Amino acid sequence: DAGVIQSPRHEVTEMGQEVTLRCKPISGHDYLFWYRQTMMRGLELLIYFNNNVPIDDSGMPEDRFSAKMPNASFSTLKIQPSEPRDSAVYFCASSLGQGGNEQFFGPGTRLTVL
Amino acid sequence: TQLLEQSPQFLSIQEGENLTVYCNSSSVFSSLQWYRQEPGEGPVLLVTVVTGGEVKKLKRLTFQFGDARKDSSLHITAAQPGDTGLYLCAPRSGNTPLVFGKGTRLSVIA
Repeated sequence: DAGVIQSPRHEVTEMGQEVTLRCKPISGHDYLFWYRQTMMRGLELLIYFNNNVPIDDSGMPEDRFSAKMPNASFSTLKIQPSEPRDSAVYFCASSLGQGGNEQFFGPGTRLTVL
Repeated sequence: TQLLEQSPQFLSIQEGENLTVYCNSSSVFSSLQWYRQEPGEGPVLLVTVVTGGEVKKLKRLTFQFGDARKDSSLHITAAQPGDTGLYLCAPRSGNTPLVFGKGTRLSVIA
């Protein structure tokens, strides 16, 4: 299995631009999570999906952030417009069931907003 | 709101030394996971503990879940440079998603 795939690995953009981050979860997993990691705040859950349906988006910081999961094998996290304070590493993770089950993380996308 | 604290935040030790890192909260958890994150990668699960007082060993790593299920510790014996990374605890309460601590950043110097 290829594991969770994220693209791009690095993104540098200017303030005000739209940014789209992509994730392909592990085949067969029914939960997908988007996280943001910074030194100051650690690893924060932004939103998670179950069977492609958003369950909890209370971690999404502002309306500038949106996430979609059009099918079981693809999800996007969009920031529009981007701001310098959005600079962070964004991780996608997937799991089979929730409970105490293992979450498998992708390698992350390092976003820099100038 | 659940308060989750990991300590120490940073730890730098020599190869061969022993160390313990902690994960503490004011809440009772149904289970707790420990993850390790290496530079440039995502976190990887090390262990899940479920029962109060439970002790699990993974080679040189020993994990303990507190009797009251509010805290956990990770002890590494004879640390090696390959143990370098960010150690994250992630407790769960009921059916809610994992909440990750800020982690302990460990550096083992050869």
